[in-house]
Order: sequence, then structure tokens, then C-alpha cells
Amino acid sequence: ETGVTQTPRHLVMGMTNKKSLKCEQHLGHNAMYWYKQSAKKPLELMFVYSLEERVENNSVPSRFSPECPNSSHLFLHLHTLQPEDSALYLCASSSLAGEETQYFGPGTRLLVL
Amino acid sequence: AQSVTQLGSHVSVSEGALVLLRCNYSSSVPPYLFWYVQYPNQGLQLLLKYTSAATLVKGINGFEAEFKKSETSFHLTKPSAHMSDAAEYFCAVRPPCASKLTFGTGTRLQVTL
Repeated sequence: ETGVTQTPRHLVMGMTNKKSLKCEQHLGHNAMYWYKQSAKKPLELMFVYSLEERVENNSVPSRFSPECPNSSHLFLHLHTLQPEDSALYLCASSSLAGEETQYFGPGTRLLVL
Repeated sequence: AQSVTQLGSHVSVSEGALVLLRCNYSSSVPPYLFWYVQYPNQGLQLLLKYTSAATLVKGINGFEAEFKKSETSFHLTKPSAHMSDAAEYFCAVRPPCASKLTFGTGTRLQVTL
């Protein structure tokens, strides 16, 4: 398996649920990213991890909690989300943080009821 | 700080016609510029990138873009549209040594017979 994979592809959760999104990259990259894509809005960078350490957090609410156990895996833990958090969550990776080419996964479509 | 403006959220062209998707940027330093394509239910795929080398950049699927500093533009073109080009296209900018990509709001390209 190659590239960037994300699971699940679709997720429906209530506001009191706890769930996790998973991202895995098979490209040997050292930097990974979480983006949020909402309808009619530009992609928003949420988190950047380089060499498993978080290097950028764009003021994301604490109900989103990232975890990077190793350079191949990235999780986004979700708890007590709001309906406005419904969006497509995209994971990406690059050789290094700042490397111009980021490779994206297919995304997880999240619906919060 | 940097930003990207994509003029026209929807563009419709006939098959075989010229495709022109507009992107203007604002950046305090010489930027790196990117075009990504997103097909339905998929993540973003890099079409092409400008990283301060040749100003005319050729990408995949017959697309190309020209960096024009005087116009602060990086418009995407393709001489002849194909039905398979129907997708959403995103322009993005980032400073050379930073990890944060700033995306435009996207342009949805429709190709008609």
C-alpha cells in the first residue's frame, strides 16, 4: 500500500461522543499535517508535526487533540464536538516541514449531529 | 503574511475549449505557489508548483501556469478541456521556509459537451 491513507472515510457522531481519525503515510516522510475543509471556505491548517513533534497549532479548539506516535501515523482525537465542526478532514505529509510538496489523503467526511 | 484570491468560484467551459482559472496572491516575501486539484470524494492532488525557477511551470494532465510578479498572478491554463478535467481546483501560497500553505477558496470547473 502506498501514499497517504485515512480511516474512516465517513463518520457520524453525536456531540457527546469521542472518536478518533487515523492517518497513515507510506512515503517515508517526516512531517504530517491535519487540515479542515469546510464548504465554501479555504482549507484551514490545524496542526503540523515534524519528526513527531508538534511545530504548529493554528489556535485549534481543545476539543481537537492530535497525536503523532511515530512518523508514519497521525491521529486526531475528537470529543464534545459541535455541529459546526462538520467538515472534510484531510491529512497530508511531506518529506520535511516546509517541503513544498505535500501529499494528501482522501479525507474523512465528518458529520456532527 | 500571505493570501490567495481565486476569481470565480465556478467556471464552465466546453470540451476542447481553453481552460483559464485565475489566482492572485499577496505575499511579503517571494512566494512558492501551487495548484492542487480535488476530484469528487478524493483528497487534493498536486498539479504543479512554482518554486522560484522557471516562471512558466508545466504540470500533469496538460496544465500549466505562469508566475507573473508584476501582476501578482499565477493563473492555471490548459489549451483544450477534457471531460475528465471537471473537478475543484485550489491555488495555494507559502513562504519558502515555512510549512503553512495558505489556500484559496477554490474554483469548481465544469466541462460541457
